[in-house]
Amino acid sequence: SSELTQDPAVSVALGQSVSITCQGDSLRTFYASWYQKKPGQAPVLVIYTKNNRPSGIPDRFSGSRSGNTASLTITGAQAEDEADYYCNSRDSSGNHVVFGGGTKLTVL
Amino acid sequence: EVQLVESGGVVVQSGGSLRLACAASGFTFDAFSMHWVRQAPGKGLEWVSLINKYGDKTYYADSVKGRFTISRDNSKNSLYLQMNNLRTEDTGLYYCTKEEITSGWNTFDSWGQGTLVTVSS
Repeated sequence: SSELTQDPAVSVALGQSVSITCQGDSLRTFYASWYQKKPGQAPVLVIYTKNNRPSGIPDRFSGSRSGNTASLTITGAQAEDEADYYCNSRDSSGNHVVFGGGTKLTVL
Repeated sequence: EVQLVESGGVVVQSGGSLRLACAASGFTFDAFSMHWVRQAPGKGLEWVSLINKYGDKTYYADSVKGRFTISRDNSKNSLYLQMNNLRTEDTGLYYCTKEEITSGWNTFDSWGQGTLVTVSS
């Protein structure tokens, strides 16, 4: 079982904002990274460390952390944001990487 | 442009062995730690293994420890995953990933397209 917990599915109306959360004890120590995964495509890094976006990622994507919970927020969701989103972090031992179970985002 | 191209995925019987390879280009390969991540059909992403830039430190998920070996050849800009004693639950798409240099272990800023491993019973 994953040490990072994500809601299996979340939906958002087009143009509205949505937050996807990731919970785990290791997040009190280590930052989460977030990945967007579309069917048939490789995952894409969208947020890492405190709230960094790789080049080419729209600024509607942002990240935050509070206690043992990391959040990915999409402000003004677009149709192309419909995808699976995964968080990851180092685990509590610090010697492994662990992924959350993933959240399927539907844009209505 | 960073490119990671995996190869070696095939159909293999349970208990068999396989070696995956990842050819890297577009960046200074020996300056970065590298990882393997997999995705079983219909399942989520699972971290498999990490090797540091020198190749002298390796780490494994508990599910593969003792069966898989990660290695690299910096002279060939290549990453490898030797998979022994394969199980049906090892079936999946295996991705080669590059670690982002500033933020530590869990930030993978480039991914290959993956190579499919199918373990039959």
